[in-house]
Amino acid sequence: EAQVTQNPRYLITVTGKKLTVTCSQNMNHEYMSWYRQDPGLGLRQIYYSMNVEVTDKGDVPEGYKVSRKEKRNFPLILESPSPNQTSLYFCASSSTSGRKTGELFFGEGSRLTVL
Amino acid sequence: GEDVEQSLFLSVREGDSSVINCTYTDSSSTYLYWYKQEPGAGLQLLTYIFSNMDMKQDQRLTVLLNKKDKHLSLRIADTQTGDSAIYFCAESRTGNQFYFGTGTSLTVIP
Repeated sequence: EAQVTQNPRYLITVTGKKLTVTCSQNMNHEYMSWYRQDPGLGLRQIYYSMNVEVTDKGDVPEGYKVSRKEKRNFPLILESPSPNQTSLYFCASSSTSGRKTGELFFGEGSRLTVL
Repeated sequence: GEDVEQSLFLSVREGDSSVINCTYTDSSSTYLYWYKQEPGAGLQLLTYIFSNMDMKQDQRLTVLLNKKDKHLSLRIADTQTGDSAIYFCAESRTGNQFYFGTGTSLTVIP
């Protein structure tokens, strides 16, 4: 089954404790991206990757890092989480041909709370 | 980033038409999209329209684009309770960076 898998789905952590949210897709997609969803703000793009070893900043990259060492994985790293990073995070992937027509495949989301 | 705005809430009666509106600021937007988010799930693409089009119809869905006013709308005909969800419009210039609206929560009253 084609899917984008995120882990963990839920996490409560404390300020400053480094964490990683993993994202994996099984569709051999070149394009992957991370979003955060906040009430009244919709989804905002954090980082995206066009292919292995190619990453670019989105609209709100501050406080986040990503890496793309393998095609299937695109982890989101919070080196020193702060309470303003409490949010619902989504990973998405797409093929090169599919992304222009908006065919993004989304994971189920990771709800992160930073105390 | 670019601004994409939507009203937050819409209620309609089952069987009526729903119209969800969206305005965007980037006149260079090439691709415009509508996504649906059901509770506890990620977004799913409903439909898209290229900026050189005025209208697109796909079964019960009709997308209208007024490029001059930077206004996009999604009409759902014969709205059903299963259409209750949050609807996001989004735009992209290149298909790399996507800018989403705030989302409109549609409630369908039986």
